[in-house]
Amino acid sequence: DAKTTQPNSMESNEEEPVHLPCNHSTISGTDYIHWYRQLPSQGPEYVIHGLTSNVNNRMASLAIAEDRKSSTLILHRATLRDAAVYYCTHNTGNQFYFGTGTSLTVIP
Amino acid sequence: EAGVVQSPRYKIIEKKQPVAFWCNPISGHNTLYWYLQNLGQGPELLIRYENEEAVDDSQLPKDRFSAERLKGVDSTLKIQPAELGDSAVYLCASSSFNFDQPQHFGDGTRLSIL
Repeated sequence: DAKTTQPNSMESNEEEPVHLPCNHSTISGTDYIHWYRQLPSQGPEYVIHGLTSNVNNRMASLAIAEDRKSSTLILHRATLRDAAVYYCTHNTGNQFYFGTGTSLTVIP
Repeated sequence: EAGVVQSPRYKIIEKKQPVAFWCNPISGHNTLYWYLQNLGQGPELLIRYENEEAVDDSQLPKDRFSAERLKGVDSTLKIQPAELGDSAVYLCASSSFNFDQPQHFGDGTRLSIL
């Protein structure tokens, strides 16, 4: 199985940057790295994805290590609405495997 | 664009009863996924469709679970008979065919077995 490991929980102060790490121990050269987040009672929401290069969009930035064994989701200014469970995943064998995610708490 | 629509949002049944969940994916999305999510865990894939074809159902408990995607659009997931351990959230997601495209999830059906 494709495996990712993330810290169970993290905290951030409001309006400060947050760096959420992920290890992709089984990633292969053609696997895309995806990040999703999930609020209570909702389905996961797409955040960002990439292959090798760092990526930016309106929600976040994604930094991918040169060996691609790790990635970091960067929220530039955390808001209370960013409090959620964040999942990193990658596609292997045409499947995406989600771990247990990181629960982000944003402190006002 | 309209998102992935799932119904019902909640379902409570007694064990050994049948139950069905329905999913309408985003228009034009070839790929449809059914996931199961237990409390405190990430989604776990049950089955993946490419158009009408179930291309990966290796994690689907086929003795009691079944799924179909007629005409390559809407999909139905069925459990018969339901067991206490089936209590979970059932999520549907869709995406374009290529794996560089994100999945779009519905809000799921929360199933409770009494």
